Amino acid sequence: GESVGLHLPTLSVQEGDNSIINCAYSNSASDYFIWYKQESGKGPQFIIDIRSNMDKRQGQRVTVLLNKTVKHLSLQIAATQPGDSAVYFCAENKGSARQLTFGSGTQLTVLP
Amino acid sequence: GAGVSQSPSNKVTEKGKDVELRCDPISGHTALYWYRQSLGQGLEFLIYFQGNSAPDKSGLPSDRFSAERTGGSVSTLTIQRTQQEDSAVYLCASSLYSGVDLEQYFGPGTRLTVT
Repeated sequence: GESVGLHLPTLSVQEGDNSIINCAYSNSASDYFIWYKQESGKGPQFIIDIRSNMDKRQGQRVTVLLNKTVKHLSLQIAATQPGDSAVYFCAENKGSARQLTFGSGTQLTVLP
Repeated sequence: GAGVSQSPSNKVTEKGKDVELRCDPISGHTALYWYRQSLGQGLEFLIYFQGNSAPDKSGLPSDRFSAERTGGSVSTLTIQRTQQEDSAVYLCASSLYSGVDLEQYFGPGTRLTVT
């Protein structure tokens, strides 16, 4: 079926290191992708988005890479900080639909 | 400005009872979404409202679930005859309707526990 999934459910990184969170999607018709961060007890918070006509987009300390050939999305966090510890979700939009389909999430833990 | 708000923040109910969960979207946002998040899981789409259009109810898991949006603003998600498997965090999100912006702004959620 069409779905968004993540390669790793958990990721631990040392403070100051870079983090890479991966996401695979199966619907080639998807044209918009978003990364959300969810801290414990809170709703998801938008981090960065990318459209299918782009391969890379940068924000503050974050970069999203889109590889449409292999239907792969990644979120890179530079100089990971303790405040980055959270669950990260990727989500896709399938063009005409106004719904986002969310992946199951990756728990990022930043070690001191 | 104010973000998306939800009430109550926590709700404990007995199996078989009905519950109502409320969502106040960001002012001016025409799209409103309800999601369900079970412990350690991703977000499961439930229902979507866009302006005065008929809602997209394709994600509702059973006919015990229903939602309304009055006056294009506040929304209420109702679960009738609650079951233990309904226990989850129910998240509401709103967004501006446009051909470009799909960013959804989430509320803090309502944690529902059915005993």
